[in-house]
Amino acid sequence: AQTVTQSQPEMSVQEAETVTLSCTYDTSESDYYLFWYKQPPSRQMILVIRQEAYKQQNATENRFSVNFQKAAKSFSLKISDSQLGDAAMYFCAYRSKTSGNTPLVFGKGTRLSVIA
Amino acid sequence: GAVVSQHPSRVICKSGTSVKIECRSLDFQATTMFWYRQFPKQSLMLMATSNEGSKATYEQGVEKDKFLINHASLTLSTLTVTSAHPEDSSFYICSARDSGSNGYTFGSGTRLTVV
Repeated sequence: AQTVTQSQPEMSVQEAETVTLSCTYDTSESDYYLFWYKQPPSRQMILVIRQEAYKQQNATENRFSVNFQKAAKSFSLKISDSQLGDAAMYFCAYRSKTSGNTPLVFGKGTRLSVIA
Repeated sequence: GAVVSQHPSRVICKSGTSVKIECRSLDFQATTMFWYRQFPKQSLMLMATSNEGSKATYEQGVEKDKFLINHASLTLSTLTVTSAHPEDSSFYICSARDSGSNGYTFGSGTRLTVV
């Protein structure tokens, strides 16, 4: 079974600075999806960024980018120019491609605080 | 974009009663619905996977007779917590797979409190 590990329970960053959230995973599959989700106090799950394992190029979405190291099974999230609204729980997630109905497997999350 | 409407957002019920949570896909067909449970300050734990027209598949340790899942149509899935106990108090979230885009969309969650 696949597992996702987030080793940083809490992180903090100054407004306008850059922060990197770590995520590692374990799988024997060669093709899969990786995601970062944001869960603000409202608890709505918001997709931040998605990466397909067969794509070598790191995904980017505006101020959010990932460092995907497939061999190391590492998938970190970099948030640039941090804003107060970025404060939330961030979950790294894995999804198998073995079938169309595989669920997301989540890490334990990292709580990000943004300091004004 | 794809939207999943989840209701109710909050519910308080007495021990021994049943509570139904609905997740409805508003603009796409949800062939698969995943139900998660989240305890405070913890991650999402998968409870069950349901495919439209089929019986749900429950994760190990989840009581299927307690957490009844129905997915009778491509736009509606329900989770019924039967004979609720205080330890069932939690945050429940659904996630629907859009067969068209292959994307997953989350509902806004239901906070259940059993008193």
